[in-house]
Amino acid sequence: QKEVEQNSGPLSVPEGAIASLNCTYSDRGSQSFFWYRQYSGKSPELIMSIYSNGDKEDGRFTAQLNKASQYVSLLIRDSQPSDSATYLCAVVDTGGFKTIFGAGTRLFVKA
Amino acid sequence: KAGVTQTPRYLIKTRGQQVTLSCSPISGHRSVSWYQQTPGQGLQFLFEYFSETQRNKGNFPGRFSGRQFSNSRSEMNVSTLELGDSALYLCASSVTGGSNNEQFFGPGTRLTVL
Repeated sequence: QKEVEQNSGPLSVPEGAIASLNCTYSDRGSQSFFWYRQYSGKSPELIMSIYSNGDKEDGRFTAQLNKASQYVSLLIRDSQPSDSATYLCAVVDTGGFKTIFGAGTRLFVKA
Repeated sequence: KAGVTQTPRYLIKTRGQQVTLSCSPISGHRSVSWYQQTPGQGLQFLFEYFSETQRNKGNFPGRFSGRQFSNSRSEMNVSTLELGDSALYLCASSVTGGSNNEQFFGPGTRLTVL
């Protein structure tokens, strides 16, 4: 079982729709969770961090965390073509000094 | 504030050679992590340094090593290069690392081993 799992996609949504990206992790002791966006040919950039159960909103982005289910998600509202990228879920392990990335979900937003 | 810088950006080596990659973190960031990114394996954690100490290491052979200097700059070295080492090597910095590890990535070094 991979430590951080994501649906590789591609996930295709029309412009203006909500894109829902999901991630599960195996380390029950993990306390820190992140979403990064990576455009083709570029390096990852941080979108959101979440540390507590529940929702965290930042503009069009909402991160959701459920530690009991070991599940993290990212919702992108009013999706734009510029949101088309690979979204990486990242989890810090119990030890605290190692960040494990999922393989990423490719998102396409159709104009 | 300047971002994370990595040098060189591109590198071509042959099997058996060694290579050193450099990373300068964002000013004030003391934690530096290194990752290998390949199409097949995604982003794989190599190691993390804080205050010149390696705090964690990923599942890579001993040919991969690193160090951090007192100014937080970091280098990684790969000896006896193999074809499979061809990848994008990314460096990321954060203020302290650890649980509150909001990382900022450099542009990467693209290594090609022939």
